[in-house]
Amino acid sequence: NAGVTQTPKFRILKIGQSMTLQCTQDMNHNYMYWYRQDPGMGLKLIYYSVGAGITDKGEVPNGYNVSRSTTEDFPLRLELAAPSQTSVYFCASSDPGLASEQFFGPGTRLTVL
Amino acid sequence: KQEVTQIPAALSVPEGENLVLNCSFTDSAIYNLQWFRQDPGKGLTSLLLIQSSQREQTSGRLNASLDKSSGRSTLYIAASQPGDSATYLCAVTTDSWGKLQFGAGTQVVVTP
Repeated sequence: NAGVTQTPKFRILKIGQSMTLQCTQDMNHNYMYWYRQDPGMGLKLIYYSVGAGITDKGEVPNGYNVSRSTTEDFPLRLELAAPSQTSVYFCASSDPGLASEQFFGPGTRLTVL
Repeated sequence: KQEVTQIPAALSVPEGENLVLNCSFTDSAIYNLQWFRQDPGKGLTSLLLIQSSQREQTSGRLNASLDKSSGRSTLYIAASQPGDSATYLCAVTTDSWGKLQFGAGTQVVVTP
């Protein structure tokens, strides 16, 4: 199993550009999450999904959009990139249940100039 | 609003010493608490998950305790090794959807 994979690993965007961060998991997990991590800070939840076709906002959703058309994929869309979106983005997945740990991808480091 | 705090932000110990990492949270209505390890430039690896009904979990040299009423968890790493150098993050789940709220982490350096 590859686990949770994310592409790209690194990306530099200009202000106002758009891009999609890809996330795929092969563990057949229903729950998927997007977090961002700013330097010296903990992770903050952007969006999450509890199954195909179901998404909801997390703590910091402004400037982002998501979709979940399949169990495996959960892409994150950035529209009109701003310097405040410079961060490391992590995708995670888990089974439902209180004893289920979350599995994280390796992250995408995004810089907006 | 739930706040998760980890003190100290950084810690350096000589090899062989036991590590004690602290995590506190303001709202005791949690579903579970997880400890993660993060290596530089890498993703997070789950170390231990403690459900709200449990008091502790153990895995090898790692032991994590949970005191919900006081809003605290402690991660103990016995006989530290240079390979234990990493940032350790704790996170709590406050609803059934598994959404995590993280502390800022403790950066650990174990010197040979």
